Amino acid sequence: AQKITQTQPGMFVQEKEAVTLDCTYDTSDQSYGLFWYKQPSSGEMIFLIYQGSYDEQNATEGRYSLNFQKARKSANLVISASQLGDSAMYFCAMREWGSQGNLIFGKGTKLSVKP
Amino acid sequence: DADVTQTPRNRITKTGKRIMLECSQTKGHDRMYWYRQDPGLGLRLIYYSFDVKDINKGEISDGYSVSRQAQAKFSLSLESAIPNQTALYFCATSEGTSGPTDTQYFGPGTRLTVL
Repeated sequence: AQKITQTQPGMFVQEKEAVTLDCTYDTSDQSYGLFWYKQPSSGEMIFLIYQGSYDEQNATEGRYSLNFQKARKSANLVISASQLGDSAMYFCAMREWGSQGNLIFGKGTKLSVKP
Repeated sequence: DADVTQTPRNRITKTGKRIMLECSQTKGHDRMYWYRQDPGLGLRLIYYSFDVKDINKGEISDGYSVSRQAQAKFSLSLESAIPNQTALYFCATSEGTSGPTDTQYFGPGTRLTVL
């Protein structure tokens, strides 16, 4: 079974609007971390935001926020006020406490921002 | 200067050749990782190292070997390259001290083509 599922292969959003990228995860660990990375067309992987399983508040970093719903095992990325430079692939990833630090990645969502 | 560098950035080689990809970091992190990314897929872990004397196989280590020459350097070798090793290869580092939210930071990637 997939541990990280990103159900949206591609999405479009109008510039300046908000967009939510979905991510669900599967783990039996009580302690784990969830991460989002951005991969522009140039290829590099850019860390955006993380959420710990014990964090009670949703993580925020500038225009990025993580909508963490533990009971539903979802960790959706919300990008507010989309910009053209947000067009990229976005990957959700999880690190389980028992995994010795290995990150498990989803297959990604391609976001396209329309002017 | 970038915190995590990879050389070469692009490489074309032939089947059966030995090739080495190098990674250096100035972040002072103990942990280093090698991942590969195939088109349309997320990243998969090849090898990881928690310190100079601790090297571990990841999900897809067959056909690869690594060397941790120093805290700052971690090399990936393909002993006899084959076409299905054509991929984008990433090196990553992490501090390793913050539990499940230990964030991994990625290098710019090496695009390898095996003909």
